Amino acid sequence: GESVGLHLPTLSVQEGDNSIINCAYSNSASDYFIWYKQESGKGPQFIIDIRSNMDKRQGQRVTVLLNKTVKHLSLQIAATQPGDSAVYFCAEKNDYKLSFGAGTTVTVRA
Amino acid sequence: DTEVTQTPKHLVMGMTNKKSLKCEQHMGHRAMYWYKQKAKKPPELMFVYSYEKLSINESVPSRFSPECPNSSLLNLHLHALQPEDSALYLCASSHSQGARYTEAFFGQGTRLTVV
Repeated sequence: GESVGLHLPTLSVQEGDNSIINCAYSNSASDYFIWYKQESGKGPQFIIDIRSNMDKRQGQRVTVLLNKTVKHLSLQIAATQPGDSAVYFCAEKNDYKLSFGAGTTVTVRA
Repeated sequence: DTEVTQTPKHLVMGMTNKKSLKCEQHMGHRAMYWYKQKAKKPPELMFVYSYEKLSINESVPSRFSPECPNSSLLNLHLHALQPEDSALYLCASSHSQGARYTEAFFGQGTRLTVV
């Protein structure tokens, strides 16, 4: 699978491999985090969320990891498929405001 | 019904025009949001309504005027916009603003072009 330690604006992954998308959040007071997927011409779509009292949460083919010590969030996608091609955003909630981080464009190679 | 519906999908307007963007949800959500998204950038928060009252205005210019007529509808009135206001405008809703651990559901957006 492909893995990046730092946030990168783009990620190219072979179909069937695992993807890891990283995100650094800014506010240590944020206590709720969400990953969104945005396909071309569409609004952001909820993928998975995690509260700050957890460090890992699993969904269907996706896992979110939270490291509060370094304010880092990652999204792991298992067995990446062509339909996973999109822009992925992490978002943090603080003072009831939902703020988005810079996105990562994922392109899946056949 | 887990949809947030935005109309129109596309809008072209002149700098002297007045237009409105509309957003509707029937999920019983009491918090509604307007975001602006430029190409290849993340969405930026503009306004938050909580129980039909404006609770957050992120220093948005007055040429953008939000309105929440009832708990299901959110409008964004546009007047005297500039070409740099061209962007995708996204509406979102969530359970009440006081519910901390709740995601926002987004509409498909209105693609606005100011000429």
